[in-house]
Amino acid sequence: DARVTQTPRDKVTEMGQEVTMRCQPILGHNTVFWYRQTMMQGLELLAYFRNRAPLDDSGMPKDRFSAEMPDATLATLKIQPSEPRDSAVYFCASGPQGSTNEKLFFGSGTQLSVL
Amino acid sequence: AQKVTQAQTEISVVEKEDVTLDCVYETRDTTYYLFWYKQPPSGELVFLIRRNSFDEQNEISGRYSWNFQKSTSSFNFTITASQVVDSAVYFCALPSYSGAGSYQLTFGKGTKLSVIP
Repeated sequence: DARVTQTPRDKVTEMGQEVTMRCQPILGHNTVFWYRQTMMQGLELLAYFRNRAPLDDSGMPKDRFSAEMPDATLATLKIQPSEPRDSAVYFCASGPQGSTNEKLFFGSGTQLSVL
Repeated sequence: AQKVTQAQTEISVVEKEDVTLDCVYETRDTTYYLFWYKQPPSGELVFLIRRNSFDEQNEISGRYSWNFQKSTSSFNFTITASQVVDSAVYFCALPSYSGAGSYQLTFGKGTKLSVIP
């Protein structure tokens, strides 16, 4: 079965360090989402790409977060510098075309702990 | 703005009991889709069911059924004869388009279901 692959699975780092999370969407999917999950806020959309172009990153703290898709097989989410409040699970998801009737496929997430 | 409310934070049932998860939504769209996703302890969200707003016929798929009522903006999900493997967090979700062709999937806060053997 096709799957969305996220690395690393777990990341523990110290405050101030750079963190890079990677996502390989399902081959042929042209939309990619980054979500952050916390107990307090639930699932929040950070960024949305369509055909590798960022269409929405309004949910992302611009001063420290950045998201890119260098090619169709790789999406990255970077935090620099990281802070303890960034501790959360970060999910990547991909979808075939970006239509509201299609289901999304999620990766297993990156559990980030910033000490 | 889109909004999804899952009032039940946690539910516990004994195995083989039926359980209904509630979802209430707000949208200005006249046609739309609604989804349920499951997040088992392994963490990965998995698609369960999808429903469109222009067909209010309720359906059953195996042990899953859903009750969609546009008049009350509710999209409830029922598991019949629950099993321990159903223990997970369940999310109701509402997709929509925002400006500049962007797409947003708004999730409820989730309902944690524990099925006790």
